Amino acid sequence: DGGITQSPKYLFRKEGQNVTLSCEQNLNHDAMYWYRQDPGQGLRLIYYSQIVNDFQKGDIAEGYSVSREKKESFPLTVTSAQKNPTAFYLCASKAGTGVYEQFFGPGTRLTVL
Amino acid sequence: QQQVKQSPQSLIVQKGGIPIINCAYENTAFDYFPWYQQFPGKGPALLIAIRPDVSEKKEGRFTISFNKSAKQFSLHIMDSQPGDSATYFCAASIAGGGNKLTFGTGTQLKVEL
Repeated sequence: DGGITQSPKYLFRKEGQNVTLSCEQNLNHDAMYWYRQDPGQGLRLIYYSQIVNDFQKGDIAEGYSVSREKKESFPLTVTSAQKNPTAFYLCASKAGTGVYEQFFGPGTRLTVL
Repeated sequence: QQQVKQSPQSLIVQKGGIPIINCAYENTAFDYFPWYQQFPGKGPALLIAIRPDVSEKKEGRFTISFNKSAKQFSLHIMDSQPGDSATYFCAASIAGGGNKLTFGTGTQLKVEL
């Protein structure tokens, strides 16, 4: 099955710990995105990558880091510098230039205790 | 700064009714306007999308109406069913800007029997 997988589905961490969320796609899409969803605020862009080994900050990048070493993988690290990390994190991907549609994974719910 | 404003926040309709969700945008550079449907605990699923060169697009029971001069677009769901009960998000993006999606804050739709 082609698609986007995110793991784990639920993640619990203690305050002050870094945590890495996984996102993998087998759609051969060039671009990948990370969004954060909070109740009543819609989705907000954290980071995005249009090609391997390149990525750009989104609207709320502070306290997060990413890497794009492989086309199919775009992991997100939530660092201890992120003040309010508890949220639902969504990964998306898109085919190449000229294609607009973004498709989302199932999400990871992160709870920081 | 919220660039895409969505209303209403919540909506209840009877089965067979036609719920209408509205969005307004500020940035005239936006050139792609998708709607997503999200069920609790799941990632958003792309429903339908429109480009600004057309005023209406239909896919099954879902219709987007687009008013470029008013900078508004709306989603109509024909013959709504209880299974349509979900949260709906409008979004907008610019093709040349990495296709970063700017989302509205969402509308919780409930379709009652």
